[in-house]
Amino acid sequence: EVQLLESGGGLFQPGGSLRLSCVASGFNFNNHAMTWVRQTPGKGLEWVSGISDKSDNTYYGDSVKGRVTISRDDSNKTLFLQINSLGVEDTAIYYCAKGSGSNPMETYNWFDTWGQGTLVIVS
Amino acid sequence: SSELTQDPAVSVALGQTVKITCQGDILRKFHAAWYQQKPGQAPVFIIFGKDTRPSGIPDRFSGSNSGNPASLTITGAQAEDEADYYCQSRDSRGNHLVFGGGTKLTVL
Repeated sequence: EVQLLESGGGLFQPGGSLRLSCVASGFNFNNHAMTWVRQTPGKGLEWVSGISDKSDNTYYGDSVKGRVTISRDDSNKTLFLQINSLGVEDTAIYYCAKGSGSNPMETYNWFDTWGQGTLVIVS
Repeated sequence: SSELTQDPAVSVALGQTVKITCQGDILRKFHAAWYQQKPGQAPVFIIFGKDTRPSGIPDRFSGSNSGNPASLTITGAQAEDEADYYCQSRDSRGNHLVFGGGTKLTVL
């Protein structure tokens, strides 16, 4: 069974940093794009960042660019998201999701598996 | 434009057909993916383009080819289809992804 399990959420102070993790199982993690999407409770989905297989390409949303680093450890099937200079606007549930292809920006790519999310509160 | 626009809410009578739309210039070039989200749950991928569905998603869900707007059609809506639905695509810059604001579907 394909599974994604996020961790690293919690209560953080403004101006601080955090690192989220997403452990994958049940598929060949090395070959797939991965992405982070966040959702403020009661609101819609916001794309945060994406990474291609082999970490060749990384992509960032406008609201987080310059504060966020996405990375992956293929040997441990883990995706990471580092967020610096936290603001209250970063309060959200953060989901990781598996891409169907090797690059999140491919024409024929979608996110076919999502984790249950980890809640980040900045206050 | 990098925006995808959805109607905030749509309702459908049980067993009837409903179309949920997603407007955006970029959809003339790229297909949309659609995700279903029920309260307290993570999003679930339901369809890409016209008919690329994962196993387990009923064929009452169908999509559309590239074009503006993109659409998600539910033929014979069931009570369990009541959820929020989000469209997603790339934006015109080619290095960003974008989601629509979501449509809350109520099955009456």
